[in-house]
Amino acid sequence: GAGVSQSPRYKVAKRGQDVALRCDPISGHVSLFWYQQALGQGPEFLTYFQNEAQLDKSGLPSDRFFAERPEGSVSTLKIQRTQQEDSAVYLCASSLVGTRYYNSPLHFGNGTRLTVT
Amino acid sequence: KQEVTQIPAALSVPEGENLVLNCSFTDSAIYNLQWFRQDPGKGLTSLLLIQSSQREQTSGRLNASLDKSSGRSTLYIAASQPGDSATYLCAVCLTQGGSEKLVFGKGTKLTVNP
Repeated sequence: GAGVSQSPRYKVAKRGQDVALRCDPISGHVSLFWYQQALGQGPEFLTYFQNEAQLDKSGLPSDRFFAERPEGSVSTLKIQRTQQEDSAVYLCASSLVGTRYYNSPLHFGNGTRLTVT
Repeated sequence: KQEVTQIPAALSVPEGENLVLNCSFTDSAIYNLQWFRQDPGKGLTSLLLIQSSQREQTSGRLNASLDKSSGRSTLYIAASQPGDSATYLCAVCLTQGGSEKLVFGKGTKLTVNP
């Protein structure tokens, strides 16, 4: 695959259900990010991985949100006991090293649109 | 807390016009500033990245400037085309320890009319 792949593309969950969102970054990319984008807003940072290490989870809204990247490639964002305010597009992005490096741009997936009813 | 503001929120122009999108940020302690494009229902596409020590970057018809001391950046689009219609997002990169994160503005929705 040439780009960052996210699945599912759309997810409808009833309030209280658990959901799992998957991200396949570009092969070999060290850095992986999750962002949340509400309608009409810019993306907001959730968490950052460098290989399998979660270096920053300061943006996770509550302890209902959990992210992992156990083998340093595929990542999963899990939301437990979903609430209506969790409805948003969840974007995954990866970069070869990190956006701090000029020649390492950030590549975004198309996102998963989560609707909690 | 770093805040990023983009003005205008929406812009509609005729094809061929040159235009400027504005971005401001409250804290000058940034590592870099990036401009992205987002098409409806899609992810973000990186357009330009300006390191904090740089003043501008150019790519084709796009030119981005950065004035870190005043907390401002502009994205200049020359000879706009209908295919440029999209939402343009500005983001500043913050680093702390081994982490990094982007703080985004809400975007400017651009419509270029044929």
